[in-house]
Amino acid sequence: SQTIHQWPATLVQPVGSPLSLECTVEGTSNPNLYWYRQAAGRGLQLLFYSVGIGQISSEVPQNLSASRPQDRQFILSSKKLLLSDSGFYLCAWTNGQGVKLFFGSGTQLSVL
Amino acid sequence: GQNIDQPTEMTATEGAIVQINCTYQTSGFNGLFWYQQHAGEAPTFLSYNVLDGLEEKGRFSSFLSRSKGYSYLLLKELQMKDSASYLCAAPQGAGGFKTIFGAGTRLFVKA
Repeated sequence: SQTIHQWPATLVQPVGSPLSLECTVEGTSNPNLYWYRQAAGRGLQLLFYSVGIGQISSEVPQNLSASRPQDRQFILSSKKLLLSDSGFYLCAWTNGQGVKLFFGSGTQLSVL
Repeated sequence: GQNIDQPTEMTATEGAIVQINCTYQTSGFNGLFWYQQHAGEAPTFLSYNVLDGLEEKGRFSSFLSRSKGYSYLLLKELQMKDSASYLCAAPQGAGGFKTIFGAGTRLFVKA
């Protein structure tokens, strides 16, 4: 069966520090991978998605970047965090077009 | 444009029925999803509609009208554990690779 792992679960970082969140999927090949962010009490905002290794689509201009160095690995990064980067970050995958998303357990990021 | 609207909050009584509405405008239609999200947790899939009509799955049902850009989620025999946010979502564009979410409806179930 397929599983998705996302870590860490919580993270507290000072403003201006770097960020690296990692997500891996097991039990499937060539998944579509996604990073979403959810501000407190708000909906999910799509940040990045990837349909293959090295293919990254950015949805919102921001202080973040994403990379897909391997088929089932998706990384969210920042060189210098801003206060506004705080939120609940969710990695997700699908195995095709227009199908349901499977989410990781999320990372609660607090930038202080 | 691409837009998904749903009410911000709803309150209902344990054992009752509640209907959560969603209206959407999408570039290309690839179906309509509903997810449930408990506080501090990831969303989990509830239902998917791609054709008009009602899809029933236990206590939860979802309805779709493509011509009206409208969907609803119906929760029957409400339980306290149903207190959560319910997210309406739609894959966008020709490939349907990008799923866009509404802001979610927070449902409070009271005894």
